[in-house]
Amino acid sequence: DAKTTQPPSMDCAEGRAANLPCNHSTISGNEYVYWYRQIHSQGPQYIIHGLKNNETNEMASLIITEDRKSSTLILPHATLRDTAVYYCIVRVDDTGGFKTIFGAGTRLFVKA
Amino acid sequence: GAGVSQSPRYKVAKRGQDVALRCDPISGHVSLFWYQQALGQGPEFLTYFQNEAQLDKSGLPSDRFFAERPEGSVSTLKIQRTQQEDSAVYLCASSLAPYDPYEQYFGPGTRLTVT
Repeated sequence: DAKTTQPPSMDCAEGRAANLPCNHSTISGNEYVYWYRQIHSQGPQYIIHGLKNNETNEMASLIITEDRKSSTLILPHATLRDTAVYYCIVRVDDTGGFKTIFGAGTRLFVKA
Repeated sequence: GAGVSQSPRYKVAKRGQDVALRCDPISGHVSLFWYQQALGQGPEFLTYFQNEAQLDKSGLPSDRFFAERPEGSVSTLKIQRTQQEDSAVYLCASSLAPYDPYEQYFGPGTRLTVT
């Protein structure tokens, strides 16, 4: 089972900020939060990751709460091409490997 | 540089046939993952390699599924005696290092349809 909980779908107007929430209340102290997105018929694409501090890159910003039990991915100016399924993941270090559990994600619809 | 490539992109197999799916990871990437993605669902972990060592195969759904990465580079996922429930997109991903925080780079996937 996924260690994260996300809303199944969200809408956003083009040009506005898209704020995608994720709950990860059982996250361990050394687990990172990763965000990926998957545009239709493509493989998932890495967006951003963080441990404790807020992070920003050319694609998005990641806000992690102080208790690390939840986070928000922010796309500052959503475009139609940002329509995709967004996955919030915490890494599960198991049996010496890195099993990555995706969950169902949030389907973001950016509307003109 | 080149990303992760997978071949074939599409495969149609008759039930009972064996199939082999290939993944070419990014050069120098230590870690390689295979995932299975059913229609409308998120990718599900199948197996993980660190170089040529298969360190985690807990996600392989049955003993009909077999993966290898003999030289620590190219990997092959083999499915024997395919069944209709094997129809899915099979995704391969690689990452530079086996420890966090390194992102995974995904290939476009192979869409397998078992008829």
